[in-house]
Amino acid sequence: DVVMTQSPLSLPVTLGQPASISCRSSQSLVHSDGSTYLNWFQQRPGQSPRRLIYKVSNRDSGVPDKFSGSGSGTDFTLKISRVEAEDVGIYYCMQGTYWPYIFGQGTKLEIK
Amino acid sequence: QVQLVESGGGVVQPGGSLRLSCAASGFTFSNYGMHWVRQAPGKGLEWVSFIRYDATNTHYADSVKGRFTISRDNSKSTLFLQMNSLRLEDTALYYCANLYSDPAYWGQGTLVTVSS
Repeated sequence: DVVMTQSPLSLPVTLGQPASISCRSSQSLVHSDGSTYLNWFQQRPGQSPRRLIYKVSNRDSGVPDKFSGSGSGTDFTLKISRVEAEDVGIYYCMQGTYWPYIFGQGTKLEIK
Repeated sequence: QVQLVESGGGVVQPGGSLRLSCAASGFTFSNYGMHWVRQAPGKGLEWVSFIRYDATNTHYADSVKGRFTISRDNSKSTLFLQMNSLRLEDTALYYCANLYSDPAYWGQGTLVTVSS
């Protein structure tokens, strides 16, 4: 199975500052159809997960443009341009190229 | 508006069975593949299972293969997860999710507790 490794696992950020989360896969996530199925999810405390980004860099409808995804192959990044209090939670990457789908361990974002 | 409502969770002894349901509304359920994802208390997300929109293909996590069966009833817009031979480590909040729509949709989850 593909292994998804996120870093850091804990991310203290000052309000208004940017944040960046890395996600690495143990093999290339380029599908045979040419797409790369790498997703990013946010889970606020006490809430269900919410997808932010699909196929590396596509924001889900309603997701603020302060969230952006980038990367290719095995290395991916989620960036938040300016962290606000509502961004506190755990962020997960998930690969959807190979079965079984696999989540990363999660990165806990907190306000410094 | 889109709703995914899970039900069927509860307390069960090791080796027991449960059947989870996920009632979908607000979108054309029969057009979308659906997933189950779980989260053990205080732990991260774990993908569990997938079923194609027409139920012709399914996939499972290694941890549940041979014990869990995913199915769907498109006439009732309902997704199911039959869980047999339950283990202590299956204790989790189980979510159903549509990850093929934009935006993706998740339910609120149903709690399964395996305990003797």
